[in-house]
Amino acid sequence: AQSVTQPDIHITVSEGASLELRCNYSYGATPYLFWYVQSPGQGLQLLLKYFSGDTLVQGIKGFEAEFKRSQSSFNLRKPSVHWSDAAEYFCAVGPGGGADGLTFGKGTHLIIQP
Amino acid sequence: DAGVIQSPRHEVTEMGQEVTLRCKPISGHDYLFWYRQTMMRGLELLIYFNNNVPIDDSGMPEDRFSAKMPNASFSTLKIQPSEPRDSAVYFCASSPLQGWGYTFGSGTRLTVV
Repeated sequence: AQSVTQPDIHITVSEGASLELRCNYSYGATPYLFWYVQSPGQGLQLLLKYFSGDTLVQGIKGFEAEFKRSQSSFNLRKPSVHWSDAAEYFCAVGPGGGADGLTFGKGTHLIIQP
Repeated sequence: DAGVIQSPRHEVTEMGQEVTLRCKPISGHDYLFWYRQTMMRGLELLIYFNNNVPIDDSGMPEDRFSAKMPNASFSTLKIQPSEPRDSAVYFCASSPLQGWGYTFGSGTRLTVV
């Protein structure tokens, strides 16, 4: 069975500092990987996705993520965070480009300090 | 494109009542998913449809839950009878055939008292 682990429940970062959110997955075949962001009271918005090819993928809002097969990881990064980045971040894994149902991690709550 | 539209945004109901949640997917998206989000369990896939046909309902918690998709532009998730433990945020999401990632609706926050 596929699973996703986000080891950090909460992360606090100062505005302007760099960010890395961790994601580890378990999946039997080549995974399709996603990062979503959820602002309070809102639905989830797709930040970026990895299907194949270049292991470093760029997303919206200045985010990027790197797929490392050997570590079963897909960590999300941003070089300089803004106060508006405060939100809940979810990593997800699934087959077939996600068309058969994604499995989500429990999320990481990002707090931005001024 | 109006995105995925869910209604109502908030629903408060008494235990034992029937609750119906509604979803309009993005036009042209062949897949529709219903998820439930709680603090304890996170995001759980309840059921998904492909071309209006239910494909996997193994996530539906029990017989009190049912979902339908009578046409490509409308789906419902019904809980009958509702219980306090059903309180959660219910999300609908849709995806195109090639699965470029989901587009989520804004969710329905259900409170059963």
